[in-house]
Amino acid sequence: QVHLVESGGGVVQPGGSLRLSCSASGFIFNNHGMDWVRQTPGKGLEWVSFIRFDGSQKYYADSVKGRFTVSRDNAKNTLYLEMDSLRPEDTGIYYCAKDYSGTYHFFDHWGQGTLVTVSS
Amino acid sequence: EIMLTQSPATLSLSPGERAIFSCRASESINSHIVWYQQKPGQAPRLLIYDASNRAAGIPARFSGNGYGTDFTLTISSLEPEDFAVYYCQQRSSWPPITFGQGTRLEIK
Repeated sequence: QVHLVESGGGVVQPGGSLRLSCSASGFIFNNHGMDWVRQTPGKGLEWVSFIRFDGSQKYYADSVKGRFTVSRDNAKNTLYLEMDSLRPEDTGIYYCAKDYSGTYHFFDHWGQGTLVTVSS
Repeated sequence: EIMLTQSPATLSLSPGERAIFSCRASESINSHIVWYQQKPGQAPRLLIYDASNRAAGIPARFSGNGYGTDFTLTISSLEPEDFAVYYCQQRSSWPPITFGQGTRLEIK
């Protein structure tokens, strides 16, 4: 049974940093691309970042490019999102999501989400 | 960036009725549309991929259709547990992956 558990969310001031983690189990982690998707009151569901199964390719939404960094540790079955220069509009629930497979870029399993609040 | 427009914003129906959700893409995405269901306090749940393929464990009352720019998700006979928000997502041209703004299905 696939299980994704995010952690690391919290309250941070504008300009601050946070590191989110997503612990994965129940599937072969190093066979699947992984993504971060956030849900904000203003923009609904917004894709944030993708990392290839082996970490060799990474993509970001324009809204976070240059501020967020995605990474993974396949030995630990863990996905990360390093978030710097945080802005109030980054506030929302951050989900990690498992890619269905290969070129099928959609999400067949999601974590429960972790709440990030950027506020002074 | 491909934009997805969902309609209506809210659908008010009763259990047993048929629900039809619409998703329109700003350019052709072939059959590369995906549908999710989200209930309050929960993560989205995969329903349909590539326009018409039901995900594992999804009941047969859920079906999808469409090609190019216009897509529909149909629930043939609403069950109480179907009242939720429904989102479409395109996987045709990325990055970025894009989602529609959602349709809320509420009990009439």
